[in-house]
Amino acid sequence: KAGVTQTPRYLIKTRGQQVTLSCSPISGHRSVSWYQQTPGQGLQFLFEYFSETQRNKGNFPGRFSGRQFSNSRSEMNVSTLELGDSALYLCASSLWGQTDSPLHFGNGTRLTVT
Amino acid sequence: GESVGLHLPTLSVQEGDNSIINCAYSNSASDYFIWYKQESGKGPQFIIDIRSNMDKRQGQRVTVLLNKTVKHLSLQIAATQPGDSAVYFCAENEGDYGQNFVFGPGTRLSVLP
Repeated sequence: KAGVTQTPRYLIKTRGQQVTLSCSPISGHRSVSWYQQTPGQGLQFLFEYFSETQRNKGNFPGRFSGRQFSNSRSEMNVSTLELGDSALYLCASSLWGQTDSPLHFGNGTRLTVT
Repeated sequence: GESVGLHLPTLSVQEGDNSIINCAYSNSASDYFIWYKQESGKGPQFIIDIRSNMDKRQGQRVTVLLNKTVKHLSLQIAATQPGDSAVYFCAENEGDYGQNFVFGPGTRLSVLP
């Protein structure tokens, strides 16, 4: 089975622009979560989607948004990029998104904001 | 937990020795915990998990111990190998419904030849 796939692998954007990141979960997985990883803050939860609905949300500003499609694929969008948004963005999927089931991560999209 | 940023705690062990990586978690209501391994340029990889109704769980060369009284989690790696060199994270699920994992700051394991 293919793992979680994230595209693109690397992105360079300018402050003020917006960006869309894509994630394809493991086949059959219904829950998709997004995390931001930075050297200063570590891994931080952005949001979780299940059946096209946002089920949980972390403490990020409204510039960060996401969505999930009927095939469970997910996208996240960051508008009005700031330098501090430079990070590794990780997508993870889970079969049913139960509270006691593990996340399976992709290798991330490395976003650099200049 | 608090992140220590670039200055991750580092554990250096000799190849063949056992490694113990510790983690303090914050939410006494958390009932599910996972250990992840992250190698350079890759996403976190699942190692082992444990539910709060257990104190210990064993996998292949790895054991996770949970002490709910002091909110402490540990990962033991037996006969540490060079391929075990990576950053290790503990994570607790704080979501009452669905998944909202809080990750620890990570520990860098360095295996010496």
